[in-house]
Amino acid sequence: DAGVIQSPRHEVTEMGQEVTLRCKPISGHDYLFWYRQTMMRGLELLIYFNNNVPIDDSGMPEDRFSAKMPNASFSTLKIQPSEPRDSAVYFCASSLGGQGSGDTQYFGPGTRLTVL
Amino acid sequence: RKEVEQDPGPFNVPEGATVAFNCTYSNSASQSFFWYRQDCRKEPKLLMSVYSSGNEDGRFTAQLNRASQYISLLIRDSKLSDSATYLCVVSNSGNTPLVFGKGTRLSVIA
Repeated sequence: DAGVIQSPRHEVTEMGQEVTLRCKPISGHDYLFWYRQTMMRGLELLIYFNNNVPIDDSGMPEDRFSAKMPNASFSTLKIQPSEPRDSAVYFCASSLGGQGSGDTQYFGPGTRLTVL
Repeated sequence: RKEVEQDPGPFNVPEGATVAFNCTYSNSASQSFFWYRQDCRKEPKLLMSVYSSGNEDGRFTAQLNRASQYISLLIRDSKLSDSATYLCVVSNSGNTPLVFGKGTRLSVIA
């Protein structure tokens, strides 16, 4: 199994540019999560999907952030326009069941985003 | 008060030492507990779940104290390869989000 796949692995962009992060979850997993990790705030949940439907986006910092899951094997997280404070590592994770079920979340390798 | 609190460390210990990390959580309704491990510049990976009765996996022992709302991880005979950040993770009932602590950094020194 290839695990959770994320692209790009690194992204350097300038303030004001649009950034699109991509994720392919593990096949058969019903849940997909987007996290952001910084030294100051640790790992924060941004949004999660169940069967391609967004369930909770209360962690999305502001309207500049949007996420979609058009099918079971693909999700995007978009930042438009990007700002330097968006610099972080963005992880995508997937699991078979919901978080309350205690199912293991499998994380992708992350996208390291730097906004200049 | 943060939902999940951990001592950030770093804990610098010699090979072969025993080291223990504690974590406290604020929501008494929390149902599931885990320790994840994150190597430098890598993604978090599940290390072990934490059960009310306590559980052991080789050199690793996890304990849960619901009354005091804390979770512990004990590593015996530490190895250089144990050097990582250990994340305490809590889940409430139903499909509410996992909450991650900021992690405790461990460096095992030769």
